Amino acid sequence: AQSVTQLGSHVSVSEGALVLLRCNYSSSVPPYLFWYVQYPNQGLQLLLKYTSAATLVKGINGFEAEFKKSETSFHLTKPSAHMSDAAEYFCAAPSSYGKLTFGQGTILTVHP
Amino acid sequence: NAGVMQNPRHLVRRRGQEARLRCSPMKGHSHVYWYRQLPEEGLKFMVYLQKENIIDESGMPKERFSAEFPKEGPSILRIQQVVRGDSAAYFCASSPPGRQQTGTSGVYEQYFGPGTRLTVT
Repeated sequence: AQSVTQLGSHVSVSEGALVLLRCNYSSSVPPYLFWYVQYPNQGLQLLLKYTSAATLVKGINGFEAEFKKSETSFHLTKPSAHMSDAAEYFCAAPSSYGKLTFGQGTILTVHP
Repeated sequence: NAGVMQNPRHLVRRRGQEARLRCSPMKGHSHVYWYRQLPEEGLKFMVYLQKENIIDESGMPKERFSAEFPKEGPSILRIQQVVRGDSAAYFCASSPPGRQQTGTSGVYEQYFGPGTRLTVT
């Protein structure tokens, strides 16, 4: 069964520092992977998606993720954190009928 | 184009009462998914519906929970005889038709509503 694991339930960075949120997947060949962001008391917003077209995927708000099959990883990065990036981030993979399996989530805190 | 709408945004119920959560998908979307976000447990799939059909309810608790998506009107997630453990955020997501099993770049993309936060007292 498809599953995703996010390493680190909390990540704290300083404003302007690199953001790295980790996601590993398990499956023979995952056709699709997603990163979603959830701001407090809001729904989920799609940040970016991997669809086998390119291993480096660029998303909104300056985020990007690289699909690495050899490492079964799809880590999310942003070169320079902004205060507005503080939120919870979820890695997700679809399975049968498109239902999403989510990682446990990583809460990103950005310090001034 | 309005996004996915859910109401109410906040719902308080006493133990034993019924909770009805509504979801209106994006215009043109005929597929609805419900997810539940429990504290410390993350987001979990509950049910997938198309108009008038339940396609996958593998994530639904066996008792007290039901869902529907009628031909007209919103999708409804119904919880009977609520218990404190039902307190959670419930999210609805919708997707366009024909993008659940194919290899297009838009496949599996789901658009989420703001959620309904259910509190059982």
